[in-house]
Amino acid sequence: DTGVSQDPRHKITKRGQNVTFRCDPISEHNRLYWYRQTLGQGPEFLTYFQNEAQLEKSRLLSDRFSAERPKGSFSTLEIQRTEQGDSAMYLCASADGDTQYFGPGTRLTVL
Amino acid sequence: GENVEQHPSTLSVQEGDSAVIKCTYSDSASNYFPWYKQELGKRPQLIIDIRSNVGEKKDQRIAVTLNKTAKHFSLHITETQPEDSAVYFCAASTSGGSYIPTFGRGTSLIVHP
Repeated sequence: DTGVSQDPRHKITKRGQNVTFRCDPISEHNRLYWYRQTLGQGPEFLTYFQNEAQLEKSRLLSDRFSAERPKGSFSTLEIQRTEQGDSAMYLCASADGDTQYFGPGTRLTVL
Repeated sequence: GENVEQHPSTLSVQEGDSAVIKCTYSDSASNYFPWYKQELGKRPQLIIDIRSNVGEKKDQRIAVTLNKTAKHFSLHITETQPEDSAVYFCAASTSGGSYIPTFGRGTSLIVHP
């Protein structure tokens, strides 16, 4: 499968725990995006990378959220001290030109 | 920042009818407008897109129109089929700029056989 992949697909955690999600983009794509999607809403932009540079992070939801793309390939999104309000689908997308290709998402449930 | 409004939130049609979903945007600098289809439990998938230098684009039963002056764009699906049932999202972004899209809230399309 040469599409965008995400791991894990589902994560259940207890409030206060840290979680980390991984995204593997389409190999030749230099831009990688993270979004959050809640029920009944469109994807909400969080941050994006051009190669290994994080070009926009002001829309990360709080300082508990951080993302990395250390070698310009895969990326991780970490949420520290999770809260019940963090429960959502976290989507990753990669792009070369304008078109973004989405991964299957990681569904996070915070108990 | 950009604001994208999408209507209706739910659209129910009979198989074979046409469906139209409308979006408006606020930032006149936006020049790239993709539409995504998201089936239940699956990833959003691009179905068609349009750039601001054209007014209409068509791909088989799907078409998109853009009115830059009024800042609105629409998705048209003709001869709807049950497999068209999904949530459809519009988005607006600036090609060559930040490439950060703003999505609408989605339209749940239900096609009754």
